[in-house]
Amino acid sequence: GQNIDQPTEMTATEGAIVQINCTYQTSGFNGLFWYQQHAGEAPTFLSYNVLDGLEEKGRFSSFLSRSKGYSYLLLKELQMKDSASYLCAVRPSGFQKLVFGTGTRLLVSP
Amino acid sequence: EPEVTQTPSHQVTQMGQEVILRCVPISNHLYFYWYRQILGQKVEFLVSFYNNEISEKSEIFDDQFSVERPDGSNFTLKIRSTKLEDSAMYFCASREQGLSDRNGYTFGSGTRLTVV
Repeated sequence: GQNIDQPTEMTATEGAIVQINCTYQTSGFNGLFWYQQHAGEAPTFLSYNVLDGLEEKGRFSSFLSRSKGYSYLLLKELQMKDSASYLCAVRPSGFQKLVFGTGTRLLVSP
Repeated sequence: EPEVTQTPSHQVTQMGQEVILRCVPISNHLYFYWYRQILGQKVEFLVSFYNNEISEKSEIFDDQFSVERPDGSNFTLKIRSTKLEDSAMYFCASREQGLSDRNGYTFGSGTRLTVV
């Protein structure tokens, strides 16, 4: 089976840094994805990790440890528009689908 | 930037009626998916489609559901006899063929289906 855990909600202040954690237990592993989803909108692809380590993309970075079944998404210099849900998703090996966690709702305040 | 296009954006239907949700995936993508998201819940996988056939499906994707690629561009999801619990946002997604998922899966803007 597949199980992906994320905190339900986080709050942070504009300009700050926030780290959103994700732990997973899946039947094999073929990559981990982070998506941003604003309310009522489609998930938007942020990052992809398949090897251990940090991937950086502008203000967003994502880290993976396969041995620990753990990832985090780091958002720097937070802006109000970063208020959204952040979805962690895994592609189990042997499958083409993504399995999503429940998402972390991030609220950025002034 | 290439987009996945879905129509309609909203659909209201009576219980027991058939609905068809439409998607135009990105033109050079070869894997297609349908996901759904019930309000306030997580994104759930329904079905994946490759090379003109279903490659995976979830337990949700029962006999009431079917998918089709009727021509070179459209990808449809049909629900034969809708139930109240089918009310959800339905997302179509596509991805490139290839060894790398570096560009992720691209999602459409969704169809909000309300069954009354």
